Amino acid sequence: EDQVTQSPEALRLQEGESSSLNCSYTVSGLRGLFWYRQDPGKGPEFLFTLYSAGEEKEKERLKATLTKKESFLHITAPKPEDSATYLCAVRHQGGSEKLVFGKGTKLTVNP
Amino acid sequence: NAGVTQTPKFRILKIGQSMTLQCAQDMNHNYMYWYRQDPGMGLKLIYYSVGAGITDKGEVPNGYNVSRSTTEDFPLRLELAAPSQTSVYFCASSWGLGEQFFGPGTRLTVL
Repeated sequence: EDQVTQSPEALRLQEGESSSLNCSYTVSGLRGLFWYRQDPGKGPEFLFTLYSAGEEKEKERLKATLTKKESFLHITAPKPEDSATYLCAVRHQGGSEKLVFGKGTKLTVNP
Repeated sequence: NAGVTQTPKFRILKIGQSMTLQCAQDMNHNYMYWYRQDPGMGLKLIYYSVGAGITDKGEVPNGYNVSRSTTEDFPLRLELAAPSQTSVYFCASSWGLGEQFFGPGTRLTVL
């Protein structure tokens, strides 16, 4: 059973069309939820860390939020350069040195 | 700072051959990690290290070995390559349990 599930698997948006990506998790004792961006052929690039329910963080057109069971990555008025795969990962008390990754959401923003 | 560097970028191996994937970081991070990423499967942790001389297994360690003789370097050894080890390999580092910084990856094909 997957501990971290991301949805949708793929998302196509028109430039300027806002939307949200979802990351749900089933681990107990969350010690941090991480969002990364990955461009084709490159390593993941860190975006945000969230630690407690209700926490929010923003960077340019991206806003990450956290509840007790899931996190959302909201993309406001996206541009084509926001096209990438977005990865979610969690750290939990059962294995605190390790990150458990979801499979990612591939976002395509058309001009 | 170069961040996390990995060599080689690409490699083709024959079944049964051995090789070492190199990883180095110049951020004085104490934690280092090796992941593999297969299409549609997300990142899986192979091995990690919390400091020089200390290593531990991750989720998928079989067929791999690591060593950590210095803070900067964390090589990954494949002793008898198998087709199942065809993947993209990422090295990452972090300061404690903070965000992980990833290298550009090594694309390995075993034929």
